Amino acid sequence: QKEVEQNSGPLSVPEGAIASLNCTYSDRGSQSFFWYRQYSGKSPELIMFIYSNGDKEDGRFTAQLNKASQYVSLLIRDSQPSDSATYLCAVTPTGNQFYFGTGTSLTVIP
Amino acid sequence: DVKVTQSSRYLVKRTGEKVFLECVQDMDHENMFWYRQDPGLGLRLIYFSYDVKMKEKGDIPEGYSVSREKKERFSLILESASTNQTSMYLCASSFPGNGYTFGSGTRLTVV
Repeated sequence: QKEVEQNSGPLSVPEGAIASLNCTYSDRGSQSFFWYRQYSGKSPELIMFIYSNGDKEDGRFTAQLNKASQYVSLLIRDSQPSDSATYLCAVTPTGNQFYFGTGTSLTVIP
Repeated sequence: DVKVTQSSRYLVKRTGEKVFLECVQDMDHENMFWYRQDPGLGLRLIYFSYDVKMKEKGDIPEGYSVSREKKERFSLILESASTNQTSMYLCASSFPGNGYTFGSGTRLTVV
């Protein structure tokens, strides 16, 4: 069983703060790592992906990967109320099928 | 703009009915997937397909079947709907190695 673990939250941060979302995975063969954002009642949308150890930045979002520790995180800088959503971590060993965590609920308080 | 289109946004069906959920993508993706999403359980894979006429069982295939006669279309069939199949159903597609694009979802209620 390939497991992806996320803290379900809820995680609350004040507007303008850094939100840190964490994810661990069990399959050491995992190659690609994705973060999805899901607003209530909507479908998930892809916001970041990372393949290599280290950090990858895209605007206010930074994905961090540590394969030795089997850990991937998402940092959201200057958090906005519009960032309030559930964030899903997804992992794939093959590039085809993804394994999802149950998501972390984030609330950004104005 | 790439799209994955699910035929219905909301659906109400009676117990025992045969239910068809349709998914069409316009991105020429090889891979297509059907998930259901329930509170506290996350996304659970029902079936997937990597090619036309190819299908593989996911983690929870019982009570479901699929059809992929054309590359762009992947249908999920509930053979005899039951109340425990009330859920949000999400279709997704992708190129190998790339992230999924999800459809907008079908919220199915079985009464």
